[in-house]
Amino acid sequence: AQSVTQLDSQVPVFEEAPVELRCNYSSSVSVYLFWYVQYPNQGLQLLLKYLSGSTLVKGINGFEAEFNKSQTSFHLRKPSVHISDTAEYFCAVTTNQAGTALIFGKGTTLSVSS
Amino acid sequence: DTGVSQDPRHKITKRGQNVTFRCDPISEHNRLYWYRQTLGQGPEFLTYFQNEAQLEKSRLLSDRFSAERPKGSFSTLEIQRTEQGDSAMYLCASSSGRHTEAFFGQGTRLTVV
Repeated sequence: AQSVTQLDSQVPVFEEAPVELRCNYSSSVSVYLFWYVQYPNQGLQLLLKYLSGSTLVKGINGFEAEFNKSQTSFHLRKPSVHISDTAEYFCAVTTNQAGTALIFGKGTTLSVSS
Repeated sequence: DTGVSQDPRHKITKRGQNVTFRCDPISEHNRLYWYRQTLGQGPEFLTYFQNEAQLEKSRLLSDRFSAERPKGSFSTLEIQRTEQGDSAMYLCASSSGRHTEAFFGQGTRLTVV
């Protein structure tokens, strides 16, 4: 079965600094990878996804992620964060096999301060 | 399309009582997921339907939990003999395929007292 590990539970950064949120996955077959964001008191929404092709994917709000198959990673990055990026970020994985579920990591809290 | 809707939004119940939650997915989405989320944690996978077939269940889903999706439309999640440890946000999501975005509902917050 597939699984995902988010290596940092909390990441504090200052406004306009770059940030990287780390995600590693485990699967014996090809994967589809996603990053979701959950703002305070709101539901989850998709930031970006990797299905195939280019390993660098761009999402909403200036975020991007790079798929690295050899390191089984899918780290999320933003070159300059804003206060409004403060939220919980979740990495999720599923596979290209029929009948596999979408599995989430435990999340990373990004706290942006001025 | 109004998105994924869940009912009720909040439920307070006494320990030992049964509760049932409903999820209406986005129409034409054949995949439907149930997750449980506690404070500071990610969504924990409970179960997943493709159309009316329940394809996978987490070992978190004890015998007290049951889910159905009759006719591949709405879904219900029932918890029997609730325990305080069942207190959590129960999330429903739907998608049209493995490679597509899962859209989440606002969740049902269960408090067992």
